[in-house]
Amino acid sequence: NAGVTQTPKFQVLKTGQSMTLQCAQDMNHNSMYWYRQDPGMGLRLIYYSASEGTTDKGEVPNGYNVSRLNKREFSLRLESAAPSQTSVYFCASSGRLAGVNEQFFGPGTRLTVL
Amino acid sequence: TQLLEQSPQFLSIQEGENLTVYCNSSSVFSSLQWYRQEPGEGPVLLVTVVTGGEVKKLKRLTFQFGDARKDSSLHITAAQPGDTGLYLCAGAGVSPNSNSGYALNFGKGTSLLVTP
Repeated sequence: NAGVTQTPKFQVLKTGQSMTLQCAQDMNHNSMYWYRQDPGMGLRLIYYSASEGTTDKGEVPNGYNVSRLNKREFSLRLESAAPSQTSVYFCASSGRLAGVNEQFFGPGTRLTVL
Repeated sequence: TQLLEQSPQFLSIQEGENLTVYCNSSSVFSSLQWYRQEPGEGPVLLVTVVTGGEVKKLKRLTFQFGDARKDSSLHITAAQPGDTGLYLCAGAGVSPNSNSGYALNFGKGTSLLVTP
């Protein structure tokens, strides 16, 4: 039982390049989330998927797209990377047991855009 | 967005000391969670509090949810170096909102360093 896995762990991009961050969970959770974490800013929600087949914008969606490929997988794509997207990206999932949204996080992807 | 303010932002103490960190908001939350994050890793859930006035204990950690469900505190007794990390509180709104649905609102965290 691996929980939430993310690939890659580290990535360096040049401005304008594109990439996809992968996330998978094996806890049979309905909801999945993408956050970015920057110094002094805390965790900010980029996109979320409340259930398979649905996605919605969070607090900071500009410059990103997402795909909920199936119940297990939720990917985040940067179409044209910018230095402002240098950050640590976390994927999370939750099962909303008894109406409580307890989230489980992956280990993160550390992205640098030059 | 329902803002969560955490204090203090940084805390450096010696092993064996006690400490309390706070999480405050002007909004009511249906539940509130505390996470601990170690360098280079993702946040790990410590506890969820749901009922106003609720107190939960996890070994040397005591968590309390305010009566009005707007604030919470985390008290650590006899801190140890293994307690070092970033402590995050996160609140779920009383109902899903059109912007973030069921997502959590996170505070910016309290960075704790416990030295031997």
